[in-house]
Amino acid sequence: GAGVSQSPRYKVAKRGQDVALRCDPISGHVSLFWYQQALGQGPEFLTYFQNEAQLDKSGLPSDRFFAERPEGSVSTLKIQRTQQEDSAVYLCASSTDSASYNEQFFGPGTRLTVL
Amino acid sequence: AQSVTQPDIHITVSEGASLELRCNYSYGATPYLFWYVQSPGQGLQLLLKYFSGDTLVQGIKGFEAEFKRSQSSFNLRKPSVHWSDAAEYFCAVGDGGYQKVTFGTGTKLQVIP
Repeated sequence: GAGVSQSPRYKVAKRGQDVALRCDPISGHVSLFWYQQALGQGPEFLTYFQNEAQLDKSGLPSDRFFAERPEGSVSTLKIQRTQQEDSAVYLCASSTDSASYNEQFFGPGTRLTVL
Repeated sequence: AQSVTQPDIHITVSEGASLELRCNYSYGATPYLFWYVQSPGQGLQLLLKYFSGDTLVQGIKGFEAEFKRSQSSFNLRKPSVHWSDAAEYFCAVGDGGYQKVTFGTGTKLQVIP
């Protein structure tokens, strides 16, 4: 079956540009997460959705970062006025539900390079 | 706040040799612990997880991990490493809530013939 997909896989942006990263979770998965993985680091939590509700956005590094999941399926992570420090791999993960500690299924990530 | 330490940034083992990757966590209550593997160009894949019960946990691909509360450790082991095991391994701890996890910085495993 289809796993979590992300697009684009690679994105190069000039500093100051806005970017939008898309995540297609596994169909029917309630929980959706975004992580940021800098070079040589582990993934760091950005935000969490339960269906369309964004229940935790404590990891978003600044107000330039915005995420949405309007219909409880596809999610978009938007970064406004990109900066060089935003260069990283952005990972999306989904899980069946939030009621118990289920496995998170990760997508391949979007590698963002800000010049 | 919860945290995870993976003290080994890079480990090299010979194919067929045994493997142990170290992980120490910091968390006030009983932790939810995970090991993930990340191969180049691939997403993270769950190897195993510990919530409660038996402290020796079996995972996929022949991996196991042992939870030791007294040492705040959750080391990953494999008796005989295969070349395909070369990847980066991440230990993670969850807070028992809605699955928010904190990852370590990873250990990159190199396997030599």
